[in-house]
Amino acid sequence: DQQVKQNSPSLSVQEGRISILNCDYTNSMFDYFLWYKKYPAEGPTFLISISSIKDKNEDGRFTVFLNKSAKHLSLHIVPSQPGDSAVYFCAASARDTGNQFYFGTGTSLTVIP
Amino acid sequence: GAGVSQSPSNKVTEKGKDVELRCDPISGHTALYWYRQSLGQGLEFLIYFQGNSAPDKSGLPSDRFSAERTGGSVSTLTIQRTQQEDSAVYLCASSPGPYNEQFFGPGTRLTVL
Repeated sequence: DQQVKQNSPSLSVQEGRISILNCDYTNSMFDYFLWYKKYPAEGPTFLISISSIKDKNEDGRFTVFLNKSAKHLSLHIVPSQPGDSAVYFCAASARDTGNQFYFGTGTSLTVIP
Repeated sequence: GAGVSQSPSNKVTEKGKDVELRCDPISGHTALYWYRQSLGQGLEFLIYFQGNSAPDKSGLPSDRFSAERTGGSVSTLTIQRTQQEDSAVYLCASSPGPYNEQFFGPGTRLTVL
């Protein structure tokens, strides 16, 4: 049973525009969320995180939004750059239910120059 | 300092053989995770080590899978009597502790013929 879902397997965006990657989760106990970026033949690298006490966290061009009532988070990249082309995974964890991180299936982002 | 390293990078084996995958975490990181990513799937949690505590083995898919972490550092994931469905990329990650960002290795691509 997939507790973290990324329903869009791929996304294409023009350079300079906004990229919006979405993630839904089913477990209301999740209280810590992360986004990872993965290039081919490399392991995922941490991008940005958000705790459930916040609804927004920003780091440069990357902003993560959390909507707890909808069990939904999104990653916004503005402006998108060709180097952002990668697979993006969202992950979630619940402090009270162990130390597992549950990952989505990933969204492949292509930024077109 | 060096990041997380994994060896081998690629492993091809015959069905029924045993394999060992190695992970060298970042020095000083107390938490170590193993995941696998099958084709078209997200990262599936396998096992988690934290310091000297008993590992969380709840993600291991069968008793053919085992892992150990010697001296709180290097970890080995062993798969006995490999099956074709074990073919996947096996990723190791370490972190300074629980609920911290994880640093991933490049993975080991296992192919069971």
